[in-house]
Amino acid sequence: QVQLQQWGAGLLKPSQTLSLTCAVYGESFSAYYWSWIRQPPGKGLEWIGEINHSGSTNYNPSLKSRVAMSVDTSKNQFSLDLISVTAADTAVYYCARVGSLGREIVVWGQGTLVTVSS
Amino acid sequence: EIVLTQSPATLSLSPGERATLSCRASQSASSYLAWYQQKPGQAPRLLIYDASNRATGIPARFSGSGSGTDFTLTISSLEPEDFAVYYCQQRSNWPPMYTFGQGTKLEIK
Repeated sequence: QVQLQQWGAGLLKPSQTLSLTCAVYGESFSAYYWSWIRQPPGKGLEWIGEINHSGSTNYNPSLKSRVAMSVDTSKNQFSLDLISVTAADTAVYYCARVGSLGREIVVWGQGTLVTVSS
Repeated sequence: EIVLTQSPATLSLSPGERATLSCRASQSASSYLAWYQQKPGQAPRLLIYDASNRATGIPARFSGSGSGTDFTLTISSLEPEDFAVYYCQQRSNWPPMYTFGQGTKLEIK
C-alpha cells in the first residue's frame, strides 16, 4: 500500500525559501506524476505543481515564478522549493500522487503546516 | 483557466437524508471531474473520479453524475461520518493544471 511521508521546516520568516520533501513507499515511483497541493488555514485547496520521475514539471501559473520541484529517483523522493515566501504562503502543504490517467489526486500525504511569520 | 463553482457553500441536513452537491465549470472539460471529502485535521480523500466512478473503498451511497459543465455529487442516505467538506476538481490540458472548487460544507442540522 502506497504511503507518502513528508517533512520540512514548519516556521519561516518572510523572504525565506520553503523547502519540503516527500518520500514514496510501496509504489512505483516512475509510473506516476507527483504533486504538491496547499491549503491555507480555513480555506480551500490550491494545486502548486507536479513532477514525474524524469523531472518533467507542470506548475500553477500563479506560482510558477517562485516554484521549483525536483526528484531523487535513487531515494524515491520528490521535493518542493518555494522562494520569497510571505504570510500568504502560510498553509498546510500536501504531497500527493496523481492518478494513472493524470486526472485526479489519488493518494495524499499527511500534510505539513508551514507558517510564515516575522 | 477553468473555474469551478460549488453550491451551496453550506448544506445543513440530518442523518438519513439525501445530499445533493453541485459543481459547475466555467468551460466544458468533458467528464474528467473528481470529488473529494475532507474532515477536520485530515487530508482530502478521493471519492469519485471521471465524474461517476467511485474510488476504491468508497461506499455505494456516494454517487457522481454529470458532464460538460454541470456535475453533481449525491449521498443517498447520510451517515454521521459523512459530515465534512467536499471539493470538486478538474484537470485542464492548457494550461496543464488542476483546479479545485471552493468547497461545500455538509453540516448536521
